[in-house]
Amino acid sequence: AQSVTQLDSHVSVSEGTPVLLRCNYSSSYSPSLFWYVQHPNKGLQLLLKYTSAATLVKGINGFEAEFKKSETSFHLTKPSAHMSDAAEYFCVTAYDKVIFGPGTSLSVIP
Amino acid sequence: DVKVTQSSRYLVKRTGEKVFLECVQDMDHENMFWYRQDPGLGLRLIYFSYDVKMKEKGDIPEGYSVSREKKERFSLILESASTNQTSMYLCASKGTSGTGELFFGEGSRLTVL
Repeated sequence: AQSVTQLDSHVSVSEGTPVLLRCNYSSSYSPSLFWYVQHPNKGLQLLLKYTSAATLVKGINGFEAEFKKSETSFHLTKPSAHMSDAAEYFCVTAYDKVIFGPGTSLSVIP
Repeated sequence: DVKVTQSSRYLVKRTGEKVFLECVQDMDHENMFWYRQDPGLGLRLIYFSYDVKMKEKGDIPEGYSVSREKKERFSLILESASTNQTSMYLCASKGTSGTGELFFGEGSRLTVL
């Protein structure tokens, strides 16, 4: 069965410092994996996606994620946080069903 | 760019009223979805549709129905709104081909008094 775990419900970083949001997946097959961002009272926007091409995936707004099959992980990173990155982030897997992780709330401290 | 439009961003309704939430997508996607999002509960699938006039129940269909008369439009209907249906409702669409990502609308925040 597919599942997604986001290890931190809330992450707080200072502006200009690196961001790491963790995601682990469980799937019997090679999944498609996505990261979405949601700003307050908005819909979800796709940040990046992994679909079995390159394991390091670059997305919008300076975010990237690395697919590690041996660790069943797809962690989201950004070298330098900006105030506008404060939002909710969702890791999502899709094979036969779309499964959302519970979300990680990112706070950025000035 | 894919555009998914939810016609109402904020609605306030009274208990017992019939509520229609409309969603239109412009990319000829076969699949459309309705989710609700509540604090601490994440996104939960209410209904989805993989073709015109076709619908499938999601995880929490009780109290809801849907309509898909045209490919681009997917409506969520609350026959008799209740206070526990106060929530953020998100519509999404997805093509059958491509890499499988969902495209979301801006959301409709419904308050039932």
